[in-house]
Amino acid sequence: EDQVTQSPEALRLQEGESSSLNCSYTVSGLRGLFWYRQDPGKGPEFLFTLYSAGEEKEKERLKATLTKKESFLHITAPKPEDSATYLCAVQAPMRNAGNMLTFGGGTRLMVKP
Amino acid sequence: DGGITQSPKYLFRKEGQNVTLSCEQNLNHDAMYWYRQDPGQGLRLIYYSQIVNDFQKGDIAEGYSVSREKKESFPLTVTSAQKNPTAFYLCASSQDPYGRQPQHFGDGTRLSIL
Repeated sequence: EDQVTQSPEALRLQEGESSSLNCSYTVSGLRGLFWYRQDPGKGPEFLFTLYSAGEEKEKERLKATLTKKESFLHITAPKPEDSATYLCAVQAPMRNAGNMLTFGGGTRLMVKP
Repeated sequence: DGGITQSPKYLFRKEGQNVTLSCEQNLNHDAMYWYRQDPGQGLRLIYYSQIVNDFQKGDIAEGYSVSREKKESFPLTVTSAQKNPTAFYLCASSQDPYGRQPQHFGDGTRLSIL
């Protein structure tokens, strides 16, 4: 069974204090790993897709990396507007065809000014 | 603007009542999905549809039903058989159910029990 575990569950940072969020996974036949940002009362917003170990993607203060067992979302010099829940999901072939996502529980990030 | 529209934003259900959540997309995506999100938990798949007039059960389909009569619409009915329906419901779509494109989400419907 595919499993995705995100840590920590919650993270408090001061503005400008860089840190990393972790997403550990076990999956048969990884097709892709996705990072989403979710604001309270909203749907997840797509950030990145990573397809193979060693791949990196960047967007503003965010950088996502992938190994064979985990992915990291690095946040450099965060600002209060980066406060949100960050979700990780792995994509694998479904038993009856089609690619499905398995989500982790998310990391709630709070950045204080 | 292309996107996914979910309605209503808030919904209340009485005992023994069925309620239907709407999901419409104008992205011309083939695949659509329904997820349930409980506080502090990840998204769990309820139903998905890879093509019009076809849909499959996800991990937690009991107490729910769907239809896919049009490409752009994938309504979810929460039946009275679902004993714990209070949750945040998210609809998503993707271009190709067999591809590796990301799923895109609507802004959800929050369902509560009266």
